[in-house]
Amino acid sequence: AQTVTQSQPEMSVQEAETVTLSCTYDTSESNYYLFWYKQPPSRQMILVIRQEAYKQQNATENRFSVNFQKAAKSFSLKISDSQLGDTAMYFCAFMKPQGGSEKLVFGKGTKLTVNP
Amino acid sequence: NAGVTQTPKFQVLKTGQSMTLQCAQDMNHEYMSWYRQDPGMGLRLIHYSVGAGITDQGEVPNGYNVSRSTTEDFPLRLLSAAPSQTSVYFCASSYSRGAYEKLFFGSGTQLSVL
Repeated sequence: AQTVTQSQPEMSVQEAETVTLSCTYDTSESNYYLFWYKQPPSRQMILVIRQEAYKQQNATENRFSVNFQKAAKSFSLKISDSQLGDTAMYFCAFMKPQGGSEKLVFGKGTKLTVNP
Repeated sequence: NAGVTQTPKFQVLKTGQSMTLQCAQDMNHEYMSWYRQDPGMGLRLIHYSVGAGITDQGEVPNGYNVSRSTTEDFPLRLLSAAPSQTSVYFCASSYSRGAYEKLFFGSGTQLSVL
């Protein structure tokens, strides 16, 4: 079974600085998808970024980018120019194609606090 | 569009009671799923459905029942509530049969079982 590990339960960063959240996963598959989801205090889960394993280029979405290291099974999230609104729980997630029965496996999350 | 709507937002049950958490989406999504979120555990998949009439178990299905009679609705039933089922429950849906694309989440139901 696939597992997703987020080794940093909590992190903090000063506003306008850059922070990197770590995620590693365990799989024997070659084709899969990786995600970062954000959960602010409102509890709403929001997709931040998505990476397809067969794409070598790292995904980016505005201030959010990933460092995808397939051989190392690592998928870190970099947040540049941190803003107060980035304060949230961040979840890394893994999914492998299963012919329509795909299941998303989440890590335990990293609580990020952006300080003014 | 309303997106994914969950009701109720909060619920308190006594051990042994049954109840249904409602989930509805208005995006014509094929894929719907239920997760529970516990402190320090992340989100764990309970049940999912890839279309009307089709459901399957996730990682933690025991004590829960689902059905999918329409594309729009995917209710989660607690048959006999236990304190271990105290959690926040999320319903999520996506366009594709698999969750290849973005999952749209509801706002969650906080359930306490006394």
